[in-house]
Amino acid sequence: EPEVTQTPSHQVTQMGQEVILRCVPISNHLYFYWYRQILGQKVEFLVSFYNNEISEKSEIFDDQFSVERPDGSNFTLKIRSTKLEDSAMYFCASSPTSGRRETQYFGPGTRLLVL
Amino acid sequence: GQNIDQPTEMTATEGAIVQINCTYQTSGFNGLFWYQQHAGEAPTFLSYNVLDGLEEKGRFSSFLSRSKGYSYLLLKELQMKDSASYLCATYNTDKLIFGTGTRLQVFP
Repeated sequence: EPEVTQTPSHQVTQMGQEVILRCVPISNHLYFYWYRQILGQKVEFLVSFYNNEISEKSEIFDDQFSVERPDGSNFTLKIRSTKLEDSAMYFCASSPTSGRRETQYFGPGTRLLVL
Repeated sequence: GQNIDQPTEMTATEGAIVQINCTYQTSGFNGLFWYQQHAGEAPTFLSYNVLDGLEEKGRFSSFLSRSKGYSYLLLKELQMKDSASYLCATYNTDKLIFGTGTRLQVFP
């Protein structure tokens, strides 16, 4: 069964550094999302992406965040200058273009720790 | 705004039935999802309700009442592996809005 994959599984970085989190959505999906989950808290929406542009973004998704689909398979989340409070699990998700478009399938996540 | 409420924790015994409730208030509603999340792992899709009523899928069923802003997830014949968090989420425009999740512990 096709799956969303994410790399790396864990990332440790220093405050102020840039990180890029990578995702490979399910191959025939065209809607992509990033969510984050701070330890012990709820899953929060960051951004949705379709047709090479952002569809919607949350208040969390400020100027330090950006997303890109650099090629036909990867979908990336860049955090330009990480802060301590960016430490969280970051989940990528994708959904199909037909049928149950609302159903989002999540990747295994990248655990980001900012020191 | 969005507000989703579900109990923080529940416990149950192996083989039993448990019902996890979720109430929501949302400015726009296009469906309600239930996801299962084991500790340290990604949410996995369980069910989606967009119309009122009960949807059954094996040991899991989900119910929705849009007029009451209420849903529940029913788990039958509980197994130890069902110990996890169960996340209620509303679908609004292009995103999922999650509740804080209900941590279910199944005891032998």
